Amino acid sequence: NAGVTQTPKFQVLKTGQSMTLQCAQDMNHNSMYWYRQDPGMGLRLIYYSASEGTTDKGEVPNGYNVSRLNKREFSLRLESAAPSQTSVYFCASSESRRRNEKLFFGSGTQLSVL
Amino acid sequence: EDQVTQSPEALRLQEGESSSLNCSYTVSGLRGLFWYRQDPGKGPEFLFTLYSAGEEKEKERLKATLTKKESFLHITAPKPEDSATYLCAVQHYSGGGADGLTFGKGTHLIIQP
Repeated sequence: NAGVTQTPKFQVLKTGQSMTLQCAQDMNHNSMYWYRQDPGMGLRLIYYSASEGTTDKGEVPNGYNVSRLNKREFSLRLESAAPSQTSVYFCASSESRRRNEKLFFGSGTQLSVL
Repeated sequence: EDQVTQSPEALRLQEGESSSLNCSYTVSGLRGLFWYRQDPGKGPEFLFTLYSAGEEKEKERLKATLTKKESFLHITAPKPEDSATYLCAVQHYSGGGADGLTFGKGTHLIIQP
């Protein structure tokens, strides 16, 4: 079972470059999320999509955009990368955003911005 | 400000040496408290959800408990394969906006053979 698949696994960018992180889930989940994980900090929510056709900002949305392409796919775009966006990015999905819904995470994308 | 604090930051135990990890939280309107396990280079993996004070959940050598202010993850007779970072997260009512999970920084657990 694939679960949540993220690509790429590693990426190095120069300041100002753009890129899109791809995420797909095969569990027929309604909700999808993008988190970033930095050393010494907890996972922080960037954007989420409660259901197909909707997206909303999370805790740290500045510098990012998202697209819920269909029920399976949720992409994260960095339009003009900055060193502060060096992080590990995780995509996650859940059946819904209702109370107590557990998340399924991908294996992450390690991004370095030079 | 809502906070989730995990302690200790790191813990090294001998195989078979039982211990507990702590997660304290200061949120209003708790909707659920989650424990996740994260192995190096991987995404977090769900372990437990606790809904209300007094609740307990068990899975193999792990038992999670919840009070009104904190949660404990008890590890009984751990094995080296229990080595991982354990994350605590709290889901709380935000009154609108992104009422997602607030994660703690995690406890890095090492079990030595």
